[in-house]
Amino acid sequence: AQTVTQSQPEMSVQEAETVTLSCTYDTSENNYYLFWYKQPPSRQMILVIRQEAYKQQNATENRFSVNFQKAAKSFSLKISDSQLGDTAMYFCAFRWAGTASKLTFGTGTRLQVTL
Amino acid sequence: GAVVSQHPSWVICKSGTSVKIECRSLDFQATTMFWYRQFPKQSLMLMATSNEGSKATYEQGVEKDKFLINHASLTLSTLTVTSAHPEDSSFYICSARDLEDRDPDTQYFGPGTRLTVL
Repeated sequence: AQTVTQSQPEMSVQEAETVTLSCTYDTSENNYYLFWYKQPPSRQMILVIRQEAYKQQNATENRFSVNFQKAAKSFSLKISDSQLGDTAMYFCAFRWAGTASKLTFGTGTRLQVTL
Repeated sequence: GAVVSQHPSWVICKSGTSVKIECRSLDFQATTMFWYRQFPKQSLMLMATSNEGSKATYEQGVEKDKFLINHASLTLSTLTVTSAHPEDSSFYICSARDLEDRDPDTQYFGPGTRLTVL
């Protein structure tokens, strides 16, 4: 069974600064996907970024980038130039690459962006 | 693209009644949909995987007779909470995969339904 661990229940960052959210996972699979989802106060889950395990290059999406360390089973999210709209819960998620596989979520990190 | 809707967004019902929640993929076909439950300040817990034209697959500990799932078409899955009790009050979220999308391995989430059982 896969497990996803987010060790930071809450974090705070000032506007325009950079923050890194950590995520570790445990799996015996070799082919899988990792995701970061954002859940703002509206509670709509929004995909922030995804990473295929077979790709060595770290994924980036504008101000969001990941540090994927496959051997260490680590998948951290870096948010650059933080904005007030980044305030949300952030969930790290794992999915094995099988067609019928499901997402396993971490417990989440609540990020507060302050002025 | 890849929009998922849920209806209703919020429902209040009396204990003992049944409530149906709809999940629709608006601009794509979803052979697989997922139902999650989320308690306040907690993560999403998968309840069941819904496959079009077949029976849903429930996670361990989820009562299939209490949480009825029907995936009758490629764009609609429904979750019916039968004989609801206050402990069923929660936020229910569905998601869907678009197998024809360039990212078939990404799940798209609905906005959620808040259920309050009095």
